[in-house]
Amino acid sequence: DTEVTQTPKHLVMGMTNKKSLKCEQHMGHRAMYWYKQKAKKPPELMFVYSYEKLSINESVPSRFSPECPNSSLLNLHLHALQPEDSALYLCASSQGLAGGTTYNEQFFGPGTRLTVL
Amino acid sequence: EDQVTQSPEALRLQEGESSSLNCSYTVSGLRGLFWYRQDPGKGPEFLFTLYSAGEEKEKERLKATLTKKESFLHITAPKPEDSATYLCAVLAYYGNNRLAFGKGNQVVVIP
Repeated sequence: DTEVTQTPKHLVMGMTNKKSLKCEQHMGHRAMYWYKQKAKKPPELMFVYSYEKLSINESVPSRFSPECPNSSLLNLHLHALQPEDSALYLCASSQGLAGGTTYNEQFFGPGTRLTVL
Repeated sequence: EDQVTQSPEALRLQEGESSSLNCSYTVSGLRGLFWYRQDPGKGPEFLFTLYSAGEEKEKERLKATLTKKESFLHITAPKPEDSATYLCAVLAYYGNNRLAFGKGNQVVVIP
């Protein structure tokens, strides 16, 4: 099973709202990722968690706050977003961050389409 | 800095017309090169990982190959359901554990 699930599928929020995106995987992967993708562009890395600890923060504005409650779950808390934050938010997971062969293969979820009004 | 360039940006094919997509890369120490397929509004779907020059992998009508400078994704006798954007990404051995993505090859297969 190589499934990563994300909820909700779609989210519309105002600039003063607080909302959360959720991601779950049951593949026993220890690395999880958040990406942002704009139309006709490749995914842009936002955050990486390894063994439930934040490993990489790509200088993402503080209005995006990641959380990894356990090895299977990853959340992205949203607050005071701007219209330019509207995008497809993708979660991914891999076995880990180091090593070779299949260790680094990232499996993506279906994404959450976020619209900020 | 890792660089990944995909060509052509867009490709229209007749059903059954085989073609190849190119991904050229510049990286200091390739840990892996990954191909994904992405349908509009959906997450990328993992296709292949290639690790060393000369390696080839196949899945249905798709075949990926790797040299020291580039990878090709060959689409043999494509069908309309092969229409998608194909993303290439590389991972380097040093430092940062970040995938460097190309801009993608947008493929449309016409019945």
